[in-house]
Amino acid sequence: DAGVTQSPTHLIKTRGQHVTLRCSPISGHKSVSWYQQVLGQGPQFIFQYYEKEERGRGNFPDRFSARQFPNYSSELNVNALLLGDSALYLCASSQQGWETQYFGPGTRLLVL
Amino acid sequence: AQKITQTQPGMFVQEKEAVTLDCTYDTSDPSYGLFWYKQPSSGEMIFLIYQGSYDQQNATEGRYSLNFQKARKSANLVISASQLGDSAMYFCAMRDGEAAGGTSYGKLTFGQGTILTVHP
Repeated sequence: DAGVTQSPTHLIKTRGQHVTLRCSPISGHKSVSWYQQVLGQGPQFIFQYYEKEERGRGNFPDRFSARQFPNYSSELNVNALLLGDSALYLCASSQQGWETQYFGPGTRLLVL
Repeated sequence: AQKITQTQPGMFVQEKEAVTLDCTYDTSDPSYGLFWYKQPSSGEMIFLIYQGSYDQQNATEGRYSLNFQKARKSANLVISASQLGDSAMYFCAMRDGEAAGGTSYGKLTFGQGTILTVHP
């Protein structure tokens, strides 16, 4: 069975630009969570979605937004990029959100 | 607020030896879950083992076991018979309990991680 997939794998943007990251969950999983991992730190929770509804939101500015589609895939959008947004963005899926979360390979974003 | 503490920035172990990675947590929720993930240099977080707060026995998964001491709020990972491929960053994480209003969700709070190096 395919695991969680994310695209793109790497991305380079400049300050002020917009970025969209994509995630496809494991087949049968209806919940997707997004995390930001800055170099040298543990991942920080950004959003969780279940059945297209936002279930939870971490302490991130409104420049960060996300959505989940009917096929349970998800997009994370970041507007007005800052240098500090450079990080590994991880997507995780679970059946309903409460259970074990399985992570994708991540998208490495570099903001110049 | 939930908090996870991993006090060992780095650990070294000889191949085939056992190693314990420490994790302490803080929460006021009676219901919570504790997880360990492995992160190789490639970046992907690999799920290793789970312990629920109401589980009576310590969790085990192959060479991984979780030494759960609820009164001390610790959830240490024990890796037996270390292999070279075990060299990686290891994260302890805790799942939130019920959110206000009755809507529960599974936000994970992670520690800072421990870098494990296995020597041949």
